[in-house]
Amino acid sequence: TQLLEQSPQFLSIQEGENLTVYCNSSSVFSSLQWYRQEPGEGPVLLVTVVTGGEVKKLKRLTFQFGDARKDSSLHITAAQPGDTGLYLCAGGGADGLTFGKGTHLIIQP
Amino acid sequence: DTGVSQNPRHKITKRGQNVTFRCDPISEHNRLYWYRQTLGQGPEFLTYFQNEAQLEKSRLLSDRFSAERPKGSFSTLEIQRTEQGDSAMYLCASSSGFLRRNTEAFFGQGTRLTVV
Repeated sequence: TQLLEQSPQFLSIQEGENLTVYCNSSSVFSSLQWYRQEPGEGPVLLVTVVTGGEVKKLKRLTFQFGDARKDSSLHITAAQPGDTGLYLCAGGGADGLTFGKGTHLIIQP
Repeated sequence: DTGVSQNPRHKITKRGQNVTFRCDPISEHNRLYWYRQTLGQGPEFLTYFQNEAQLEKSRLLSDRFSAERPKGSFSTLEIQRTEQGDSAMYLCASSSGFLRRNTEAFFGQGTRLTVV
């Protein structure tokens, strides 16, 4: 069974600060996706990373896939209250996506 | 709206009743997935379909859970004899191919089930 561990589980910071959240596994994934989920809604896809060492940027969000394709990180620059939410990483597999438990992020104004 | 659509958005039912949820995937997507998400957790895979064929159902939570996709388009998830522990968000997702081949999955807004 492929497992994804996300850290930290909870993070509360002030508006304007930078942060990084992590997604780690002992398994190799052919692709990894990051989602953001708000309460009562379904996950919304942010990005897919495929190649080891790949870096993708989405405005203030920077996503990196580890060289060995076992881990990933999400860095947010100058966090804003609108970034508040549950950030989920998910690895692609034969049957579907394996999700981590997520990082609950709160950005305080 | 061409995204994944789920209904109802919310369902409150009494313990012991049967419930059925519907998912309409993105029209050109041939793969459809069902997940369950409890409070504070990530989504948990339940089952998936390639067109009308259900290719994995061993991870359905019990024999009270069943899913169908009769014409390879919309899908239904049924829970029989609901229990309070079934209370959760039930999510549907669709994709155009095998996820391990780097295609992307898109989720609906989910159905929130509360069993009282």
